[in-house]
Amino acid sequence: KNEVEQSPQNLTAQEGEFITINCSYSVGISALHWLQQHPGGGIVSLFMLSSGKKKHGRLIATINIQEKHSSLHITASHPRDSAVYICAVPSNTGNQFYFGTGTSLTVIP
Amino acid sequence: DVKVTQSSRYLVKRTGEKVFLECVQDMDHENMFWYRQDPGLGLRLIYFSYDVKMKEKGDIPEGYSVSREKKERFSLILESASTNQTSMYLCASSFVGGIPSHEQYFGPGTRLTVT
Repeated sequence: KNEVEQSPQNLTAQEGEFITINCSYSVGISALHWLQQHPGGGIVSLFMLSSGKKKHGRLIATINIQEKHSSLHITASHPRDSAVYICAVPSNTGNQFYFGTGTSLTVIP
Repeated sequence: DVKVTQSSRYLVKRTGEKVFLECVQDMDHENMFWYRQDPGLGLRLIYFSYDVKMKEKGDIPEGYSVSREKKERFSLILESASTNQTSMYLCASSFVGGIPSHEQYFGPGTRLTVT
């Protein structure tokens, strides 16, 4: 049983397209995290959100706590957005995370 | 800025060898984690530690052990490497405190190949 489900698993887009990645979770959470992993391995945190919407540049993250669903949107996508995007939620103790399997995004010029 | 470093970016070892992967963080974080990442499976927790000399098994501890003798350093040990342990290994750390962010900071990863 996966506590966190992401879709799609792979996504290819043309430069400039609007992109949406979805995350559904089954556990009660205090906050949800969106992470980005570029080729080469390093993972960085993009957003932590517990309600509503957050925006950072061309990236927008939304969450609906009642529906246990979050989305990550990328507006005016660019080849440098090509990466794996991972959704993560903390366990009840907060000491561990449940991770989605990631969405591999490729943006073609 | 929090910095998490790992001892190697790429490592090639032979079957049966003992392998040490080291992780160091510089922000006095209590929690440290070792994950492996495989295509289609995402990040899976091997072990985590919430204090010096304390450890707990994650989802896939078989074939691995860990050591945390100092707060800033968390080592992953493969006692006898096998080809199915070829993977990307990621270390992370997090702070246990009043701000409930639980944000984890990741190292750059070690890509281990066992031949």
